[in-house]
Amino acid sequence: SQQGEEDPQALSIQEGENATMNCSYKTSINNLQWYRQNSGRGLVHLILIRSNEREKHSGRLRVTLDTSKKSSSLLITASRAADTASYFCATDASDMRFGAGTRLTVKP
Amino acid sequence: GAVVSQHPSWVICKSGTSVKIECRSLDFQATTMFWYRQFPKQSLMLMATSNEGSKATYEQGVEKDKFLINHASLTLSTLTVTSAHPEDSSFYICSAISGRASYNEQFFGPGTRLTVL
Repeated sequence: SQQGEEDPQALSIQEGENATMNCSYKTSINNLQWYRQNSGRGLVHLILIRSNEREKHSGRLRVTLDTSKKSSSLLITASRAADTASYFCATDASDMRFGAGTRLTVKP
Repeated sequence: GAVVSQHPSWVICKSGTSVKIECRSLDFQATTMFWYRQFPKQSLMLMATSNEGSKATYEQGVEKDKFLINHASLTLSTLTVTSAHPEDSSFYICSAISGRASYNEQFFGPGTRLTVL
């Protein structure tokens, strides 16, 4: 499978804590993308990191990419209840296939 | 697993014409379908949420008069790109949520590549 695989499957934290999610993939890539999905809603693009980048920031989001390990991590700092959602990764080789995602619950 | 089809898989049209893309859920009923566009080497960008029997909800910056969405049945949603221009050339992808599927699971169509000359 060329889809990204997220881990953990579920994560529950308190508001204000940081949340870290991981993604692994199998093929060589040009870029990796992270998306959020609220219940019953479409995927929303969060951040794209290119294969020649190691780290990228966007607001409270920090994404790292390790192409040697074929893995990426998404860190959400100072989490809020509104961050509760499922998070997915995909690569340009994913062909619209997504893993099961990480279901994040942020408790107020 | 649930199957979503799109038709056509690719289309080339002249500037100023309108193009209709169909998205069908083949073996399940989809009360909600989503339309995305993707430029080369870029992320999927959600365009709109299509609910059967009601008006679509468009994301900010997406022109609803240009991208007409109709979700007339539980298995079919259509996206019409009206008065297409070269900048509308993109890969358009739909997805659908199956009520039978696990939490949040979306099933994606294979995409439609639109090229406007």
